[in-house]
Amino acid sequence: DTGVSQNPRHKITKRGQNVTFRCDPISEHNRLYWYRQTLGQGPEFLTYFQNEAQLEKSRLLSDRFSAERPKGSFSTLEIQRTEQGDSAMYLCASSIGSPGRFGYTFGSGTRLTVV
Amino acid sequence: TQLLEQSPQFLSIQEGENLTVYCNSSSVFSSLQWYRQEPGEGPVLLVTVVTGGEVKKLKRLTFQFGDARKDSSLHITAAQPGDTGLYLCAFPPSGNTGKLIFGQGTTLQVKP
Repeated sequence: DTGVSQNPRHKITKRGQNVTFRCDPISEHNRLYWYRQTLGQGPEFLTYFQNEAQLEKSRLLSDRFSAERPKGSFSTLEIQRTEQGDSAMYLCASSIGSPGRFGYTFGSGTRLTVV
Repeated sequence: TQLLEQSPQFLSIQEGENLTVYCNSSSVFSSLQWYRQEPGEGPVLLVTVVTGGEVKKLKRLTFQFGDARKDSSLHITAAQPGDTGLYLCAFPPSGNTGKLIFGQGTTLQVKP
């Protein structure tokens, strides 16, 4: 297992276009998280899954954002009608059990630039 | 709402110097973690502290959890350029252990 994998690493899109990111977590990790991070700031929570169930969504996740984890393995995050304010690093993390005790393993992120 | 405050926000030092960064809250943490993030990469877990007063060491890094579990510090001895990065503390909010909340981070630059 090579850790948490995110694709693509970089994405440049025009305002108004839709984009989709993929995250492949560590195979034995049942929890998967999406965060957004802007330069020099800490990651902001977006949503998380336990297996295929989406258990929590942040108010940051507007109706233009949707995340899925259909088979409890990989996950996708889609942003519709992108805006310049969506430009950020999108981080995926996975964990086994309670993250407060075991922590997260993060991927390298997808950097989105909306022009 | 539990919030984390990290200080300083930015620190630039010369190689060989010592430094301490802080993570504070007005609320009690059930546990707290420190992560380091290098530019263009995801954060990497350094340590988890659980018990008030706990001290953990990782080579030149010393982590301390406050007695009242409301604060934590990270001390680096003889900093090296490889220590450069964003240092983040994170905790599971009370009543919700399913996720972590992160502070805004301390950006450390170690000049050779």
